[in-house]
Amino acid sequence: EADIYQTPRYLVIGTGKKITLECSQTMGHDKMYWYQQDPGMELHLIHYSYGVNSTEKGDLSSESTVSRIRTEHFPLTLESARPSHTSQYLCASRHPSAEQFFGPGTRLTVL
Amino acid sequence: AQSVTQLGSHVSVSEGALVLLRCNYSSSVPPYLFWYVQYPNQGLQLLLKYTSAATLVKGINGFEAEFKKSETSFHLTKPSAHMSDAAEYFCAVSLSGAGSYQLTFGKGTKLSVIP
Repeated sequence: EADIYQTPRYLVIGTGKKITLECSQTMGHDKMYWYQQDPGMELHLIHYSYGVNSTEKGDLSSESTVSRIRTEHFPLTLESARPSHTSQYLCASRHPSAEQFFGPGTRLTVL
Repeated sequence: AQSVTQLGSHVSVSEGALVLLRCNYSSSVPPYLFWYVQYPNQGLQLLLKYTSAATLVKGINGFEAEFKKSETSFHLTKPSAHMSDAAEYFCAVSLSGAGSYQLTFGKGTKLSVIP
């Protein structure tokens, strides 16, 4: 079944640790996105990719980085986590008919 | 450029009552419009979309929305609210032209359903 996956679902980590949030999709979509969302708030685009080896920063400045080595995989990395990075991170991919499909999200807490 | 305004950050309805969530957009070209629903600690799920076909769009879970160009609106409705409809709802807009691959989201409306 075609789907989009995110791991881990929940992560609690100490300040200064390096973390990678995983995102994979099995739909063969070229275009993928990372959003940051505080609880009950709007979504902010932080990174996007329109294909392999293509990555761009979004509207909201973020200290995270992304890579796109394979079509199905779009991981997000924080080199040194800080409490200000505490948030929910949502990954999405875009169907050719314009709608985006979202993963279940990773809720990150940095102590 | 495009933008979305959702009127009312919080809407409460009684179970069985009409649900009306408001969304107005601005877009320099004909838009694509979407409604998404988000349950606690989950990602967003597509409810319905408008991509320049029929102006009245039917979605999942009994929801529908009508595209009104003259009012630049895309309001979401459901005739009879159910307890399971309690969630956060997001309206989003995308430009319809080639090369327009991003969604702009509204700030969301939290729907509460009172038994």
